[in-house]
Amino acid sequence: EVQLVESGGGLVQPGGSLRLSCAASGFTFTTYSMNWVRQAPGKGLEWVSIISGTANTMYYADSVKGRFTISRDNAKNSLYLQMNSLSVEDTAVYYCARETERFLRDWGQGTLVTVSS
Amino acid sequence: EIVLTQSPATLSLSPGEGATLSCRASQSVSSFLGWYQQKPGQAPRLLIYDASNRATGIPARFSGSGSGTDFTLTISSLEPEDFAVYYCQQRSSWPLTFGGGTKVEIK
Repeated sequence: EVQLVESGGGLVQPGGSLRLSCAASGFTFTTYSMNWVRQAPGKGLEWVSIISGTANTMYYADSVKGRFTISRDNAKNSLYLQMNSLSVEDTAVYYCARETERFLRDWGQGTLVTVSS
Repeated sequence: EIVLTQSPATLSLSPGEGATLSCRASQSVSSFLGWYQQKPGQAPRLLIYDASNRATGIPARFSGSGSGTDFTLTISSLEPEDFAVYYCQQRSSWPLTFGGGTKVEIK
């Protein structure tokens, strides 16, 4: 059974940093591209970033480019999102999601990031 | 960036009725479009990929159609568990984008 478990969310002040983690199990982690998708309270879904299985390709949404960095540790079956220069607009539930055949088939339960003073 | 526009924003229907949800892309996405269902407090669930293929375990009452810029998600007969928010998502070009969602609510 595929399992994705996010962690690392919490309350952070504007301008601060946070690192999210996603622990994956139940599949061969290196084989799949992994994504971060976020959802602001009461709002829709916003794709954030993707990283290929071998970590040689990454893409970012314009809204986070230059501030967020996606990475993975295939030895630890883990995905990460380093978030710097956070603003209140980054407040959201952050989901990690596995991509299979171009779409997001498996999702974690999400971790809440709140940016507030 | 490809913009996906979903309509209507809200659909008020009764169990047993059919539902038709629309997603229009600002430029062609070929068939690289998916549909997701999200219930309150839950992560999204993939329903349809490549415009018309049901994901594993998705009931046959869900079907997708379309190509290019116009897509439809059809629920043939609404079950109580189908009342939720539905999002379309394109995988044709970066950045990936989602539509704003259609809420299917109980009338």
